[in-house]
Amino acid sequence: GENVEQHPSTLSVQEGDSAVIKCTYSDSASNYFPWYKQELGKGPQLIIDIRSNVGEKKDQRIAVTLNKTAKHFSLHITETQPEDSAVYFCAASIGAGGTSYGKLTFGQGTILTVHP
Amino acid sequence: KAGVTQTPRYLIKTRGQQVTLSCSPISGHRSVSWYQQTPGQGLQFLFEYFSETQRNKGNFPGRFSGRQFSNSRSEMNVSTLELGDSALYLCASSSHSYGYTFGSGTRLTVV
Repeated sequence: GENVEQHPSTLSVQEGDSAVIKCTYSDSASNYFPWYKQELGKGPQLIIDIRSNVGEKKDQRIAVTLNKTAKHFSLHITETQPEDSAVYFCAASIGAGGTSYGKLTFGQGTILTVHP
Repeated sequence: KAGVTQTPRYLIKTRGQQVTLSCSPISGHRSVSWYQQTPGQGLQFLFEYFSETQRNKGNFPGRFSGRQFSNSRSEMNVSTLELGDSALYLCASSSHSYGYTFGSGTRLTVV
């Protein structure tokens, strides 16, 4: 089955710096890659996603890049703010069809701390 | 619009008991997935339902089961609870197998 590796496990940055989190996946059939942010006591919140027909997607301070050949994708957060502090999860999915319905395979998470 | 609602938020059960968790998806979403989140194993997929049918199932023992009703609300049941079942159980809904929105979860503690 699919396996997703996420690095680093912890990331500490100063306010205003950029943060980059990287993930690799194993199943070349995966074609959907969402990123979630989870704050204490809450469920994961979808912050950005990308499909395999796109190499890069940006939404204000957040961007995701995808390299299908190398089977890795990354989350980039620019101009970090203290409220960006949370646990971030990457995930991979084959999307709709076959035995993959509804199944996201998650990375182990990155604890991001932004110091004021 | 209202998000995904999970009830109860917290639950304490004794080993050997059974438990039922409830999930109300976003209006119009017909796909509901369930996940177990623990510090050691992370987020693991339990199963997915669409139009009252289970379309996908993760690698969990048969003690874990679920169902979906005609209004897309879903329940999951865990029988013969074990200490290792203590976890945050998350429900997520989507209209098209992408862009899943998660609820805040049910924190289950087995003592």
